[in-house]
Amino acid sequence: GESVGLHLPTLSVQEGDNSIINCAYSNSASDYFIWYKQESGKGPQFIIDIRSNMDKRQGQRVTVLLNKTVKHLSLQIAATQPGDSAVYFCAEKGDDKIIFGKGTRLHILP
Amino acid sequence: DAMVIQNPRYQVTQFGKPVTLSCSQTLNHNVMYWYQQKSSQAPKLLFHYYDKDFNNEADTPDNFQSRRPNTSFCFLDIRSPGLGDAAMYLCATRKDRATDTQYFGPGTRLTVL
Repeated sequence: GESVGLHLPTLSVQEGDNSIINCAYSNSASDYFIWYKQESGKGPQFIIDIRSNMDKRQGQRVTVLLNKTVKHLSLQIAATQPGDSAVYFCAEKGDDKIIFGKGTRLHILP
Repeated sequence: DAMVIQNPRYQVTQFGKPVTLSCSQTLNHNVMYWYQQKSSQAPKLLFHYYDKDFNNEADTPDNFQSRRPNTSFCFLDIRSPGLGDAAMYLCATRKDRATDTQYFGPGTRLTVL
């Protein structure tokens, strides 16, 4: 069956350093992937997406990498700031559904 | 401007007392989703509508029902809430099958006493 999961439940990063959040997916037929940021008490917020015909996509301070060979997705946040503190979910789209992974909580150390 | 609106933001109900959560959207999107998110877990899809076509997830309990009277509104009805139904309920929309971006509402946090 389809499943999307994350390797680490919690990641602590020094302010100003780069953050890397990883995700593994199992459905090789998925063709679209999304990273969401969720702050406490709020709904998921779209960060960046990537289609399966791409390996890399960059946004403002964020980069998503897709490795289809090993079914791995990562989110890189450059120069991590206190406002980046949140739970990050990867998700994959299959048909009409968006399936979420388990989430990684990002802690920013002063 | 809010595009996906959920009311109320916080809902308290009693064990076994029916409750309805509301979602509305100003985007005129065809697809609407309901997710359940428990503490420290990922959102779990309960069901979704493509226009008026209802799609229930296989593991969604019968206790959960949904209605979509028009494009703008979608309701989640919990017929007999149990303590295990306490969660954040998230509504999301997507324009149509040709587009991918999903827009989430702020969620309704349900407490069951």
